[in-house]
Amino acid sequence: KNEVEQSPQNLTAQEGEFITINCSYSVGISALHWLQQHPGGGIVSLFMLSSGKKKHGRLIATINIQEKHSSLHITASHPRDSAVYICAVPPNTGNQFYFGTGTSLTVIP
Amino acid sequence: SQTIHQWPATLVQPVGSPLSLECTVEGTSNPNLYWYRQAAGRGLQLLFYSVGIGQISSEVPQNLSASRPQDRQFILSSKKLLLSDSGFYLCAWSETSTGELFFGEGSRLTVL
Repeated sequence: KNEVEQSPQNLTAQEGEFITINCSYSVGISALHWLQQHPGGGIVSLFMLSSGKKKHGRLIATINIQEKHSSLHITASHPRDSAVYICAVPPNTGNQFYFGTGTSLTVIP
Repeated sequence: SQTIHQWPATLVQPVGSPLSLECTVEGTSNPNLYWYRQAAGRGLQLLFYSVGIGQISSEVPQNLSASRPQDRQFILSSKKLLLSDSGFYLCAWSETSTGELFFGEGSRLTVL
């Protein structure tokens, strides 16, 4: 069983669409990370959040600690948003991170 | 500000040759350091992590090794590369006080 589950695995959207990526986890955590990886590129941290909601431009991340669930939303999607989005959690015990397998997003012009 | 540097960015090596990937962090002290491997189309696999100088934890048995000779330096090595070592290697660090996570630019290794 994976400690972190993401859905969907793959997502294709038309430019301008509202996008939601979901992440569920089974371990106790104090914070959750959303990461972005463009094709062939490194990984960039988008958000670290421990409660409620955070917003950066067209990206919004929400978390419900009680339900162990987080969502990443992209408003007015654009082809440059095409990337793999990864959810990561550092469990309360230990020094490691658990990662979801990622959601591959393709935004078509 | 904190930065992380990883090199080389691209490496093509023959089977049986040695490997050294280096990662350095600036702007912080006593970070947790990580080496991950990402095979094509796959998720991140933790290879090694370190909570301090000389302290290395290995997650998977393999012909790779890691060392942390200085607080902000993390090195991934191999004495003899295998074809299966090909992949995208990522160094990362996390801030022990805030839990923030940062990744290097990655090193793409092709073993021929």
